[in-house]
Amino acid sequence: GESVGLHLPTLSVQEGDNSIINCAYSNSASDYFIWYKQESGKGPQFIIDIRSNMDKRQGQRVTVLLNKTVKHLSLQIAATQPGDSAVYFCAENLSGYSTLTFGKGTMLLVSP
Amino acid sequence: GAVVSQHPSRVICKSGTSVKIECRSLDFQATTMFWYRQFPKKSLMLMATSNEGSKATYEQGVEKDKFLINHASLTLSTLTVTSAHPEDSSFYICSARSYQGNYGYTFGSGTRLTVV
Repeated sequence: GESVGLHLPTLSVQEGDNSIINCAYSNSASDYFIWYKQESGKGPQFIIDIRSNMDKRQGQRVTVLLNKTVKHLSLQIAATQPGDSAVYFCAENLSGYSTLTFGKGTMLLVSP
Repeated sequence: GAVVSQHPSRVICKSGTSVKIECRSLDFQATTMFWYRQFPKKSLMLMATSNEGSKATYEQGVEKDKFLINHASLTLSTLTVTSAHPEDSSFYICSARSYQGNYGYTFGSGTRLTVV
């Protein structure tokens, strides 16, 4: 299940389950979104991106859904594996501006 | 694919000394580089944005005299933490942006700075 509190929100799943990680973004004008995976002590690693003219985009085992009406982004990971254990961040960008704004992050823990 | 090399990965320094962190784009020219700071179990906080050959743009609350950023070439940016104090201990991450059919952001592997 998912826990939210003073610490980083954590999602605990069993190996083989499908995982859904959610993100509420801040700027309704943002038009480019990226999901990153960060393992302990490492830099963020690109997973998948989506532009605001799309609602859904699929990659290998991952799907990103975008709901602009409620400023919500989700990352679905199919058949979650222990190697998927990491912190996942969404990031948003507005065309014409170079900066990315990161969300708070969710820790995904996958049990064998 | 685009690769960003960040060095060193870990550094320990004494209070009052300065530390330089390098960020290199290995196989592309980075029009813009970014420096982030990350505290444990927290998100990435943008410190500054730098474009090659011009002064960095610092985010509100980031001391530009404390965190010196140099972006002298399209493949190298450096962050120097001057007169470091224990509260500067953190994980610093650089990112580089380039146009490769689409603007992509590539991150370095981060630098763990510990000031003792």
